[in-house]
Formats: sequence, C-alpha cells, structure tokens
Amino acid sequence: NAGVTQTPKFQVLKTGQSMTLQCAQDMNHNSMYWYRQDPGMGLRLIYYSASEGTTDKGEVPNGYNVSRLNKREFSLRLESAAPSQTSVYFCASSEQGQASSYNEQFFGPGTRLTVL
Amino acid sequence: QKEVEQNSGPLSVPEGAIASLNCTYSDRGSQSFFWYRQYSGKSPELIMSIYSNGDKEDGRFTAQLNKASQYVSLLIRDSQPSDSATYLCAVHRQISSGSARQLTFGSGTQLTVLP
Repeated sequence: NAGVTQTPKFQVLKTGQSMTLQCAQDMNHNSMYWYRQDPGMGLRLIYYSASEGTTDKGEVPNGYNVSRLNKREFSLRLESAAPSQTSVYFCASSEQGQASSYNEQFFGPGTRLTVL
Repeated sequence: QKEVEQNSGPLSVPEGAIASLNCTYSDRGSQSFFWYRQYSGKSPELIMSIYSNGDKEDGRFTAQLNKASQYVSLLIRDSQPSDSATYLCAVHRQISSGSARQLTFGSGTQLTVLP
C-alpha cells in the first residue's frame, strides 16, 4: 500500500516549457487535490477533484490545468511555465468529499519544480 | 487578517518539556481542524484532527479547540528531538459563497527540541 505517489520528484524547466505532474493514490479515496508550497506561504490549493469526473478551482488556479483520469489518478499540467511557478507541489487525497467536514487529507512526497 | 494564523517561530523547547503551538482562524463557520507535522524536505503528515470544543488526546499529543475564541492549539508533552519539525494548522472552511469547503493552511510554526 503505497498511499499517494507523485512523479517526478524533481524537475527543472525553462520559461515557456510545458510539463505534467502525475499523482496516483491506492487508498480508494474519492477526492484528490493539488497544492503548492512556497516559503512563508504555507500550502495553497491549486485545484481539486471532489470525485471522479469533476474538477474545481482552488485558491491559485491560474497557469494550471488538471485532469482526473480515473479514481486513482489526478494530473496537474503547466502549459507555459513561468518562474513564479517555481515551488514544491503536493498531491493529496481524502476519503470523503470537500462538502464533508471530515476531510482528513493524506499527502504525496511532493515534486520540487524550478522554472528558469 | 489571515484566514489561518500561526506564530512562525522558531519555537525552541528543551527535551522533556511541553511544547505549545497555537493557531487562530477567522471563519466562524469552520467545523474541522487539523494539525500536520512536516519535516524539512518532506510532505505534511496528519497527526491530529479535532471537531468538537475541548481537548483530544493521542499519546503525547493533545489538541485543544475553542470555537468561541476561534482558537486551536497543539500540546506536545515530553518533547523529543525527533519532534523538531514545522507544524501546520489547517482549517476546513468555505472559501467563497457557493463553493465547497476547502482546507486552508497556516504558514506553520517551526519547532526545535533541544537535547
């Protein structure tokens, strides 16, 4: 039982390049999330998927797109990377949906992205 | 005012002491509260959740919630050097009218336990 896995672990991009961050969970959770973490800013929600087939914007969605491929997988795409997107990206999942108060989220190991 | 506010620290306590971490939140409608521990270079790990006013104990950890004061805290008894990490407070709240509830994180308190 691997929990939440993310690939790649590290990535360096040039401004304007595109890439997709992959996330998968094996806990049969309904909801999945993408966060970014910057120094002094805490974790900020980019996008989330309350259930398979649905996605919604979070606090900082600009410059990103997501795909909920199936119940297990949730990917984050940067179409044209910018230096402001240099950050650590975490994927998370939870058993119950966003509307529930009992939203215990479990995090993947993260992807460290640098945009030059 | 930030939606979830924590003292960034650093907070240093000697080994064996009680470490007290505090968090305040602005949304009175918040119902669920969480504490995550994050070691340097690692992902956040859920250590406590609390949903009702009062105390909740789990081993050396105690979470305290006071909804009237919009305050949640984490006490770590018998602190160990292995407890040295950043502790993130998270609150389940509605970001905007009509939106689903989301977790909002504080910026974290860095704790160092000195041997």
